[in-house]
Amino acid sequence: GAVVSQHPSRVICKSGTSVKIECRSLDFQATTMFWYRQFPKQSLMLMATSNEGSKATYEQGVEKDKFLINHASLTLSTLTVTSAHPEDSSFYICSAEDGSYRTGNTIYFGEGSWLTVV
Amino acid sequence: QKEVEQDPGPLSVPEGAIVSLNCTYSNSAFQYFMWYRQYSRKGPELLMYTYSSGNKEDGRFTAQVDKSSKYISLFIRDSQPSDSATYLCAMNHQGGKLIFGQGTELSVKP
Repeated sequence: GAVVSQHPSRVICKSGTSVKIECRSLDFQATTMFWYRQFPKQSLMLMATSNEGSKATYEQGVEKDKFLINHASLTLSTLTVTSAHPEDSSFYICSAEDGSYRTGNTIYFGEGSWLTVV
Repeated sequence: QKEVEQDPGPLSVPEGAIVSLNCTYSNSAFQYFMWYRQYSRKGPELLMYTYSSGNKEDGRFTAQVDKSSKYISLFIRDSQPSDSATYLCAMNHQGGKLIFGQGTELSVKP
């Protein structure tokens, strides 16, 4: 089945530094990738939609200068948390849309990245 | 009112029971309906995917979509302790954002 790889799975960084999270679709081309944030015992909250070769579309309330998203190729999107603060500590999940005929509009998720800012 | 409503539970059942998980929604434009399973501290895993109305079966899992009632269900037969997880329904229409339910926490007791 389709696989989405997310890296790193866990990262600890110091307050004020930046951290990059990668999301790769391993066996399909993903024209659209999504980035979510999840707080404990809550559902996924969409942060932004990333389309290959164009600027990401951010949801209301998400700081685009803080959460930089780059979708450089059909298989890779990155999320960079800039000037991280402890309140940015969360579980970040990416997903990629496989829009091929064989699967329709199916979206697959990465394993997620735990970010802890100390 | 949320676009997608899902009872957060928790739901606790004995091993071997039939589990019924449900979501209701308000947007009649939704066409694609999915169920995800999420284990603690892991990313969601796609379980079932259904386009439009009808039933779909995969092993012990059956997904049902009733568009006239705006109601979707996931049934788990012969539930196992390994099924203990949070189950999220999600849905969208072509080109639209994926909207998630809150997730139902399921515990299957041996």
